[in-house]
Amino acid sequence: DIQMTQSPSTLSASVGDRVTITCRASQSVSSWLAWYQQKPGKAPNLLIYKASNLQSGVPSRFSGSGSGTEFTLTISSLQPDDFATYYCHQYSSYWTFGQGTKVEIK
Amino acid sequence: EVQLVESGGGLVKPGGSLRLSCAASGFTFSSYNMNWVRQTPGKGLEWVASVSSTSYYIFHADSVKGRFTISRDNAKNSLYLQMNSLRAEDTAVYYCVRGTTTRYFDSWGQGALVTVSS
Repeated sequence: DIQMTQSPSTLSASVGDRVTITCRASQSVSSWLAWYQQKPGKAPNLLIYKASNLQSGVPSRFSGSGSGTEFTLTISSLQPDDFATYYCHQYSSYWTFGQGTKVEIK
Repeated sequence: EVQLVESGGGLVKPGGSLRLSCAASGFTFSSYNMNWVRQTPGKGLEWVASVSSTSYYIFHADSVKGRFTISRDNAKNSLYLQMNSLRAEDTAVYYCVRGTTTRYFDSWGQGALVTVSS
């Protein structure tokens, strides 16, 4: 199984901050990586697919990069609606998720 | 608008059975792979099972293999998860999830809570 490790587990930030979340895979997943945002009591919502492609309707302040085993999700200017938990997800070999990064208000 | 609505969750005793259903609307159900993903506070998000659009391919996670069975009925726009021999560690919110042709998950239902407890 491919293991996905996110860092940090929790991130404290302020509105307007630039935020970066890292996801590492235990083996190469090429670019078969997605990012999701989840708010309490709600289902995950797709933000990014194939490492860097923005899902339709997702604000352009979200961006993704990386390939192989190391990936990043960047929020260029954090907005109040962005305080949530973010998950990476590999779909190269079956499907596994990172443990999540909670973005909280500083 | 894509809608996925799960039903059938609830409280069940260890060793018991439960069948989850997912009613799909707003898209051509028979053209998409479908999946079940579960979430627990302790283990986070865990893929459970997948079925291809025609049911030709079916996969189950090792943690549920031999106990859970995914199936679909394209005529009824419905996805199912039959869960047998349930264990406490199967307690989770179960999501019905649409898969794309390149295998990532693009639409999720609201989730159904399954609690396994005596």
